[in-house]
Amino acid sequence: DAGITQSPRYKITETGRQVTLMCHQTWSHSYMFWYRQDLGHGLRLIYYSAAADITDKGEVPDGYVVSRSKTENFPLTLESATRSQTSVYFCASSPSGRGSYEQYFGPGTRLTVT
Amino acid sequence: AQSVTQLGSHVSVSEGALVLLRCNYSSSVPPYLFWYVQYPNQGLQLLLKYTTGATLVKGINGFEAEFKKSETSFHLTKPSAHMSDAAEYFCAVSGGNTGFQKLVFGTGTRLLVSP
Repeated sequence: DAGITQSPRYKITETGRQVTLMCHQTWSHSYMFWYRQDLGHGLRLIYYSAAADITDKGEVPDGYVVSRSKTENFPLTLESATRSQTSVYFCASSPSGRGSYEQYFGPGTRLTVT
Repeated sequence: AQSVTQLGSHVSVSEGALVLLRCNYSSSVPPYLFWYVQYPNQGLQLLLKYTTGATLVKGINGFEAEFKKSETSFHLTKPSAHMSDAAEYFCAVSGGNTGFQKLVFGTGTRLLVSP
């Protein structure tokens, strides 16, 4: 029962580099989400996906790109990392269907941009 | 747009004391409400949720919350704190023009439990 996994758990990269954070879920949930967690801001939605090949922007999408070619994977790419993107990133998934709105979270990726 | 306000970024209690974490929401439609807990270096775990029906909701680890529409509140309580309850707690709301599938989170309350 793997659930939802994220890789890597920790990443240090340099300003300007491209970095991809991976998210994989084994539940076949329709919805997947990417959040960033920063002190004083709680969790803020970056992008979300309702199904394979369907993605939409959240509250803070600038500087990020997502794709979802398969239901189980939802990678997040920082095209040119900036120091302001230093954060903890969480992936989450949620089943579709009325009443099934709770989200299940991965363990997070701590990203440092130097 | 919906929003969530968690009063107090830090709450300190003694072991065995009542835990009360406050959450007020803003929503144009009847909301769905959630409490999540985050332990150090971990993801968020669902404690409890309110969708419809009974306004007093019981969750895991002895926590409960009451939906009060007139006060737009969804405070989290536990009668007797345990050392293992020390964590960060997040209130979240869904519904309205953003739809029920997306959650809007508060900024979190860190619960400190002293012996």
